[in-house]
Amino acid sequence: TQLLEQSPQFLSIQEGENLTVYCNSSSVFSSLQWYRQEPGEGPVLLVTVVTGGEVKKLKRLTFQFGDARKDSSLHITAAQPGDTGLYLCAGSSYNNNDMRFGAGTRLTVKP
Amino acid sequence: DTGVSQNPRHKITKRGQNVTFRCDPISEHNRLYWYRQTLGQGPEFLTYFQNEAQLEKSRLLSDRFSAERPKGSFSTLEIQRTEQGDSAMYLCASSLSNSYEQYFGPGTRLTVT
Repeated sequence: TQLLEQSPQFLSIQEGENLTVYCNSSSVFSSLQWYRQEPGEGPVLLVTVVTGGEVKKLKRLTFQFGDARKDSSLHITAAQPGDTGLYLCAGSSYNNNDMRFGAGTRLTVKP
Repeated sequence: DTGVSQNPRHKITKRGQNVTFRCDPISEHNRLYWYRQTLGQGPEFLTYFQNEAQLEKSRLLSDRFSAERPKGSFSTLEIQRTEQGDSAMYLCASSLSNSYEQYFGPGTRLTVT
């Protein structure tokens, strides 16, 4: 059972479209990370959010941490084929030792 | 490149053989983590080290698995008497002890035939 539920599991869109993926949990996290992973490679850290309600922007990517620190979303504007990959969210508990991952959203952006 | 490195990148072994993987963390990072990732899933925590001390182990880490970090720098993960169910990507990550952010290596893909 995944502690973090990510949706949708798969998403295929055309270049230029906008999209939002979600990460939900019944647990409260001290921080939440978003990673992108390409086939055969390790996850690459995109952002860390630590404050409830926090919004961070990274170029065309906007990350939001829920007020209750149980959920997060990632919004991509004007998606490009280079955005294709597996987007993983991971939550850290207050003891900071045990980071739990969701199963990921596999995004495909078609040119 | 001063990121996390892992060797080998790929390992194919026969059931019952022992395998050992190596992880070299980012040099100033004192925490080192091992994860396992199977197809369609996110990484699952196995164990972590603070310097040379192994501070936590998941129940996923059976008796056939052992990890070491003898000098607080690189780490090894050994799997004894491999089983087909051990086939997975084994990921290593490192971090500073006062940081939430973990940085991952490229992983070792293990295939047990």
